[in-house]
Amino acid sequence: DAMVIQNPRYQVTQFGKPVTLSCSQTLNHNVMYWYQQKSSQAPKLLFHYYDKDFNNEADTPDNFQSRRPNTSFCFLDIRSPGLGDAAMYLCATSPNRGGREIQYFGPGTRLLVL
Amino acid sequence: GESVGLHLPTLSVQEGDNSIINCAYSNSASDYFIWYKQESGKGPQFIIDIRSNMDKRQGQRVTVLLNKTVKHLSLQIAATQPGDSAVYFCAEGGSGGGADGLTFGKGTHLIIQP
Repeated sequence: DAMVIQNPRYQVTQFGKPVTLSCSQTLNHNVMYWYQQKSSQAPKLLFHYYDKDFNNEADTPDNFQSRRPNTSFCFLDIRSPGLGDAAMYLCATSPNRGGREIQYFGPGTRLLVL
Repeated sequence: GESVGLHLPTLSVQEGDNSIINCAYSNSASDYFIWYKQESGKGPQFIIDIRSNMDKRQGQRVTVLLNKTVKHLSLQIAATQPGDSAVYFCAEGGSGGGADGLTFGKGTHLIIQP
């Protein structure tokens, strides 16, 4: 089945230690998104890629970076995780940009910062 | 919708009853609206969407109503089942200006009582 896959499902890191979260998709969608979701809150968009074109939300901290080496894969890099970065990180995809289509979400990676 | 606060509104309904979940969105330029269901520890799952040129759309056991005059969206679930217990998020998109992501509302926790 075509889907959005996130690995790992749970990630534990230490304060200040760089961590990378992975997302892959078999939907062949042009757009991939990263959202952050803290406990009992709504998902919040961090950034997205339209093909290789990177788009950062204005309030996304510089501590968060992303890479998209090809259509199928997208990575979220947190350079120096702080305690406040503990959250669920959700990857999503859509066929096209514009925010007028269904976004398909992966199961998320829950990040714990010790 | 505005994503603020740490406590999700809760709606408790009896199994078999109909439920209505409401959402107020913030951007009058948004022209695409979508409802997601999120079960504990999982990613958001698409339920139904609607474009601004419609005021009602029906799916299987679900109906979305859109009132652009008052910027209000609702999700009606008919004959609720235990599997409907989850957090429900509305989201808005399509406001243009390079905004390709979705802006999520704060979410409502639906509890189905036997």
